[in-house]
Amino acid sequence: SQQGEEDPQALSIQEGENATMNCSYKTSINNLQWYRQNSGRGLVHLILIRSNEREKHSGRLRVTLDTSKKSSSLLITASRAADTASYFCATAKNTDKLIFGTGTRLQVFP
Amino acid sequence: SQTIHQWPATLVQPVGSPLSLECTVEGTSNPNLYWYRQAAGRGLQLLFYSVGIGQISSEVPQNLSASRPQDRQFILSSKKLLLSDSGFYLCAWSLVGNQPQHFGDGTRLSIL
Repeated sequence: SQQGEEDPQALSIQEGENATMNCSYKTSINNLQWYRQNSGRGLVHLILIRSNEREKHSGRLRVTLDTSKKSSSLLITASRAADTASYFCATAKNTDKLIFGTGTRLQVFP
Repeated sequence: SQTIHQWPATLVQPVGSPLSLECTVEGTSNPNLYWYRQAAGRGLQLLFYSVGIGQISSEVPQNLSASRPQDRQFILSSKKLLLSDSGFYLCAWSLVGNQPQHFGDGTRLSIL
């Protein structure tokens, strides 16, 4: 069964607006990761946040983690048309694999 | 730097035919290796992973199999493809199981 569920499933915004995607998971984790997938391509790792961290930034990306609510959010500020992609969260326990969520499809209109 | 190669990029196969998809990694040693399948517009389903040569863990019962004949080579196979095997197959590697994974560009498999 999948660990992560992203919300919303799809999101459409204008360039310059902020995009927020949420991820909920079910069990305790070691870390949570966000990935991006352009259409027809492999996933690209964006950012990793450990279970003892609450917020992390990377360029225009801001990730938060609330372990009490078992949820995370990815904020993309000042979005660009090139940000159009699917975004996935993935959770990691102390095992040899990640569990990926169902993804959010982001469309940024110029 | 590390790179991952996955081929072919697209494949059209008849039902009942065999399958062999190959994935190789360069620039690292003893990586964890993963095969995923992604249905159109959906998330990733982990099929197999390997933490070392000859070590394969299967996540989903199916008519697919995986092998790791060399440290940086991961092969996905089937003896007889089913219509339900259609999808986008992705290979990935990581240094440690809970660390970031690095993906190939995928193989789009269509079964006719």
